[in-house]
Amino acid sequence: NAGVTQTPKFQVLKTGQSMTLQCAQDMNHEYMSWYRQDPGMGLRLIHYSVGAGITDQGEVPNGYNVSRSTTEDFPLRLLSAAPSQTSVYFCASSKTGGYGYTFGSGTRLTVV
Amino acid sequence: AQSVTQPDIHITVSEGASLELRCNYSYGATPYLFWYVQSPGQGLQLLLKYFSGDTLVQGIKGFEAEFKRSQSSFNLRKPSVHWSDAAEYFCAVDTFSGGYNKLIFGAGTRLAVHP
Repeated sequence: NAGVTQTPKFQVLKTGQSMTLQCAQDMNHEYMSWYRQDPGMGLRLIHYSVGAGITDQGEVPNGYNVSRSTTEDFPLRLLSAAPSQTSVYFCASSKTGGYGYTFGSGTRLTVV
Repeated sequence: AQSVTQPDIHITVSEGASLELRCNYSYGATPYLFWYVQSPGQGLQLLLKYFSGDTLVQGIKGFEAEFKRSQSSFNLRKPSVHWSDAAEYFCAVDTFSGGYNKLIFGAGTRLAVHP
């Protein structure tokens, strides 16, 4: 049972480039979400999904897009990377809201 | 607005000493509360959670937390700290608004353990 799998683990982008951070879970969880972690700020919610075809914005959605075509996958897209998006990104999933969340191991992104 | 406050950014304790990490939340309804731990370069691991019932909850690695509704607090405790407990600790509250659940984190407390 793999849990929540994030790829890649590390990535360096140039300003203006685009990329997709991948997140997959094999627990049949309905809830999935993306967070970014910055020093002194904890984890902040970027986007979340409560099921296939349903997504919504979190605290810091600007510069990021998401889609949820299957229960298992919840990719995060950076359309035009900026240095302010340098961060560690975590994907999380939950069976239902309020049930407890399982986190992936993170993607460390640097935008130069 | 819903929020979580962890007043202590850094805490240093000696190995074998007791530990208490503070967490205060702001949420109008009955909260679902969590403590997560993050070792350097790692993801987040769930230590314990409170949904309802007994206000003293036990978690993994010898940790416990007490929910106090009157103080809007959910402090994490451990009677005797081990060097391997050095990590960053996050308190979180699962909120329900707009028809959906969202997990809100505090800024974290970094724990250092002296031998």
